[in-house]
Amino acid sequence: GAVVSQHPSRVICKSGTSVKIECRSLDFQATTMFWYRQFPKKSLMLMATSNEGSKATYEQGVEKDKFLINHASLTLSTLTVTSAHPEDSSFYICSASTGGYYGYTFGSGTRLTVV
Amino acid sequence: SQQGEEDPQALSIQEGENATMNCSYKTSINNLQWYRQNSGRGLVHLILIRSNEREKHSGRLRVTLDTSKKSSSLLITASRAADTASYFCATDAAAGNKLTFGGGTRVLVKP
Repeated sequence: GAVVSQHPSRVICKSGTSVKIECRSLDFQATTMFWYRQFPKKSLMLMATSNEGSKATYEQGVEKDKFLINHASLTLSTLTVTSAHPEDSSFYICSASTGGYYGYTFGSGTRLTVV
Repeated sequence: SQQGEEDPQALSIQEGENATMNCSYKTSINNLQWYRQNSGRGLVHLILIRSNEREKHSGRLRVTLDTSKKSSSLLITASRAADTASYFCATDAAAGNKLTFGGGTRVLVKP
């Protein structure tokens, strides 16, 4: 089945630095990927939709300059949290549209802690 | 923004009992999906029900969909301690467009 690999699974960074999270589709081409953010004990909130070769579409209230999304190939999308602050600490999950029966496959998530 | 609400927000049951959780949504959908998430982990797809379907079964899972009420329910029968997790419904307005998640139900199954 369709597999999405997300890396890293955990990252701790200092305030003011940038962190890149990768989302790869391993055995299929993903023209569309999605980035979600999840706070503790809360639901997933869609941050942006990433389309290969074009600019990402951000949801209302999401700072596009802080959360840079690049989808340069059909198998890789990256989310870069720029100038991270403690309030950016969260669980970030990517998913890819597979076009199959279920429609989506999710990565295992990245726990970001900004200190 | 979140599509809808899940009810209850938290559920505590004994092993062997059934667990039922409900999901409401606001807009027309192509399909509705249920996912499980263990603490700190990614999402595991459980079941998908299309807008023209009313009920689906998968093992110990039973999902219903009432498009007139814009609601769905997930029933886990004969629960096990391993079923302890958060459960989320997600709606897909147009297949492959994007998923919108409900608030989730945290289920604790006590051995």
